Amino acid sequence: QSVLTQPPSVSGAPGQTVTISCTGSTSNIGAGYDVHWYQQLPGSVPKVVIYDNTHRPSGVPDRFSGSKSATSASLVITGLQAEDEADYYCHSFDSSLSGVIFGGGTKVTVL
Amino acid sequence: QVQLVQSGAEVKKPGASVKVSCKGSGYSFRNYAIQWVRQAPGQGLEWLGWIYAANGNTIYSRDLQGRIAITRDTSANIVYLEMSSLKSADTAVYYCARKHVARTYLDYWGQGTLVTVSS
Repeated sequence: QSVLTQPPSVSGAPGQTVTISCTGSTSNIGAGYDVHWYQQLPGSVPKVVIYDNTHRPSGVPDRFSGSKSATSASLVITGLQAEDEADYYCHSFDSSLSGVIFGGGTKVTVL
Repeated sequence: QVQLVQSGAEVKKPGASVKVSCKGSGYSFRNYAIQWVRQAPGQGLEWLGWIYAANGNTIYSRDLQGRIAITRDTSANIVYLEMSSLKSADTAVYYCARKHVARTYLDYWGQGTLVTVSS
């Protein structure tokens, strides 16, 4: 069971908006630790799409955005495209565990 | 360009040990931390630990403490992950990843090494 909770799956039609939540606690997200989001395409290595809660690395489309509030964070994909079909993981730090933590992952399906 | 190149696939018997390497190039090796993350078949990402290349300081996942060791060879720009007392549940793809120099996210990843534990 992951310390950061994500929905197992979300889906949407092309052009729609999907939101992936990442729920933590007062020892991780709520303690102020940054949240990062990774995209893992089938058979590929994870790649960061959002870092430090809201920042998008160069080369990542602006349809990806992130937010953080209290003990949770969200990744929003606006204008969903077929190539966005992948697994997405949130990533942070936990002071109680004194270690890095990942969410369980969310599979995004483009209908 | 920044590259992390990992050693090849391994097949081990239960109870054995494995050592996976991760060679960095294209950047100043000593200035960064390297983390290890694994992914069991069909499962999510699990953090194992990290090492600061500059001083060799390490932090390990509490779940695996005692069974893993992360070391580095700064003369060769290589980080090693060694895991002992292997079980079938350790079967996974093992990734090394570089932590961004000033932030906490992982900006470059190795290609992954499949470790299979089977009798």
